[in-house]
Amino acid sequence: EAGVAQSPRYKIIEKRQSVAFWCNPISGHATLYWYQQILGQGPKLLIQFQNNGVVDDSQLPKDRFSAERLKGVDSTLKIQPAKLEDSAVYLCASSPSDTYEQYFGPGTRLTVT
Amino acid sequence: QKEVEQNSGPLSVPEGAIASLNCTYSDRGSQSFFWYRQYSGKSPELIMSIYSNGDKEDGRFTAQLNKASQYVSLLIRDSQPSDSATYLCAVGAYYSGYALNFGKGTSLLVTP
Repeated sequence: EAGVAQSPRYKIIEKRQSVAFWCNPISGHATLYWYQQILGQGPKLLIQFQNNGVVDDSQLPKDRFSAERLKGVDSTLKIQPAKLEDSAVYLCASSPSDTYEQYFGPGTRLTVT
Repeated sequence: QKEVEQNSGPLSVPEGAIASLNCTYSDRGSQSFFWYRQYSGKSPELIMSIYSNGDKEDGRFTAQLNKASQYVSLLIRDSQPSDSATYLCAVGAYYSGYALNFGKGTSLLVTP
């Protein structure tokens, strides 16, 4: 069974630029999560989708971050404009419906200069 | 603010010893508890889950849960250098839509 796929793996941008990350969850997993992990911290939930609907986006900085999950499969997370403090690893995870057991992708390491 | 607290470490143990990792949580509505292992530069990997008070054993790993004390721990027996990683405690509550709240992680170093 293929795992969660993410791209790109690494991205370096200047502040005020925009960037987008892509995630393809495990086949059949209805729930998709985006987390931000700053160095030395645990993952922090940004947004949770159930199929193509948003379950929780309370910690998503909506003035600069946006996310969508078209057709309930792939998802993109966008930052526009980026700030220095957005430097982090962005992790995508997926899980079957009605379960806590999440499977993480390899992450995208973002550096904002 | 729902908090999940872990000692950041590093916790250093000799090879073959028992490593004990601890986690406390503030939300009494929490009902599901997880330990993830994260190697440097890699993504978190689920290694243990526990839902009821008491102990749960899986190979060299034992998770312990005490809901009254709001405390969960992970014991690693016969620690190996390959166990050196950051261990993340994660907590879920029924009203969170299965989202998890993670602690900052404890860094474990197993020395040969």
